[in-house]
Amino acid sequence: DGGITQSPKYLFRKEGQNVTLSCEQNLNHDAMYWYRQDPGQGLRLIYYSQIVNDFQKGDIAEGYSVSREKKESFPLTVTSAQKNPTAFYLCASSMEYEQFFGPGTRLTVL
Amino acid sequence: GIQVEQSPPDLILQEGANSTLRCNFSDSVNNLQWFHQNPWGQLINLFYIPSGTKQNGRLSATTVATERYSLLYISSSQTTDSGVYFCAVDTQGGSEKLVFGKGTKLTVNP
Repeated sequence: DGGITQSPKYLFRKEGQNVTLSCEQNLNHDAMYWYRQDPGQGLRLIYYSQIVNDFQKGDIAEGYSVSREKKESFPLTVTSAQKNPTAFYLCASSMEYEQFFGPGTRLTVL
Repeated sequence: GIQVEQSPPDLILQEGANSTLRCNFSDSVNNLQWFHQNPWGQLINLFYIPSGTKQNGRLSATTVATERYSLLYISSSQTTDSGVYFCAVDTQGGSEKLVFGKGTKLTVNP
């Protein structure tokens, strides 16, 4: 089946630890995106990548890092510098204009 | 940056009722998408509709780009239509950097 997978579904981490969220797609899409959603809010763009080995900061990139070594994969690292990391993280991909989303990862910092 | 406003913020319906959700945006756009976020957090694509009208079953959407608004119509609503409906627009041609509204939370009661 073609689609976007994110893992894990739920993630707990202690304050001060870095954590990496996985996003994989087999849709052969060029562009990939990471969004953050807080309760009762819309999505905000963290980072995006339009081609392999290139990525751009979104509106709320501070405290996050990404890599794009393969077309299929766009992992997001939430670093200890991110002050309020507890949120729902969504990954998306697109070929031209229409974006498609994965199921999301709920990160809780204890 | 571009502003996206959705109304109403909350909507409660009885099963079988019809509804109209509105999305206003502050600048010209190249991309407009409607999504439904289900109770598990998954965003499901409803329409890619930068202009014109589209229909898919009980749902239809119309975007009047010159007047900077889009409408999502839900007819004969069902309890499974419950969730949050998001409108998202791009900020510049070719980058597909979507900006999301805060959503309309729809509750359909049996």
